[in-house]
Amino acid sequence: NAGVMQNPRHLVRRRGQEARLRCSPMKGHSHVYWYRQLPEEGLKFMVYLQKENIIDESGMPKERFSAEFPKEGPSILRIQQVVRGDSAAYFCASSPPGPGSGNTIYFGEGSWLTVV
Amino acid sequence: AQKITQTQPGMFVQEKEAVTLDCTYDTSDQSYGLFWYKQPSSGEMIFLIYQGSYDEQNATEGRYSLNFQKARKSANLVISASQLGDSAMYFCAMRDVMDSNYQLIWGAGTKLIIKP
Repeated sequence: NAGVMQNPRHLVRRRGQEARLRCSPMKGHSHVYWYRQLPEEGLKFMVYLQKENIIDESGMPKERFSAEFPKEGPSILRIQQVVRGDSAAYFCASSPPGPGSGNTIYFGEGSWLTVV
Repeated sequence: AQKITQTQPGMFVQEKEAVTLDCTYDTSDQSYGLFWYKQPSSGEMIFLIYQGSYDEQNATEGRYSLNFQKARKSANLVISASQLGDSAMYFCAMRDVMDSNYQLIWGAGTKLIIKP
């Protein structure tokens, strides 16, 4: 799972600023997922992307949050005008293409966002 | 809707003893996968073991095994010969194999502390 690279590992933002979290999937993986973990809780699904496509964003807040996975470069989770409630750990995961690959989902080390 | 329940918020276990972490799930799907992840204090999410709903054998990975009881909808994680390094949060998660979005549903986690 060390192959999923997330940065920054820790990010501090003031209320109203923007946060950008990056994720490079494991080599050969074309499916990327973002999850959010609030303190003392399990992860909550946010969005599932493939290259240049958002497949499922049912877990994304309707406002201020967006995600992309361009043809080149990492996936980006963007949070505009952050509020204190956005403070959480944001995990990226990836899996390879093809059927049956959903049992090989590997996570990055997470990005911890603190809003002050 | 799918749901994962982990009833043990915390556990203390003596080093070298075996540990069983409980996980029950609720789903109406016939094909699904069950996962266990370890989250140490450093924060990363480490994949431990996977069990498919149609797998006839219980999954094993080194000291980890999954006690899968399909009729009871339980998927308990067993750690044999516990070590101090096993102290961490442990999360049970599941996904619908037939669902193309590969979304994982997570339990609230169990905090395991191994005593020397």
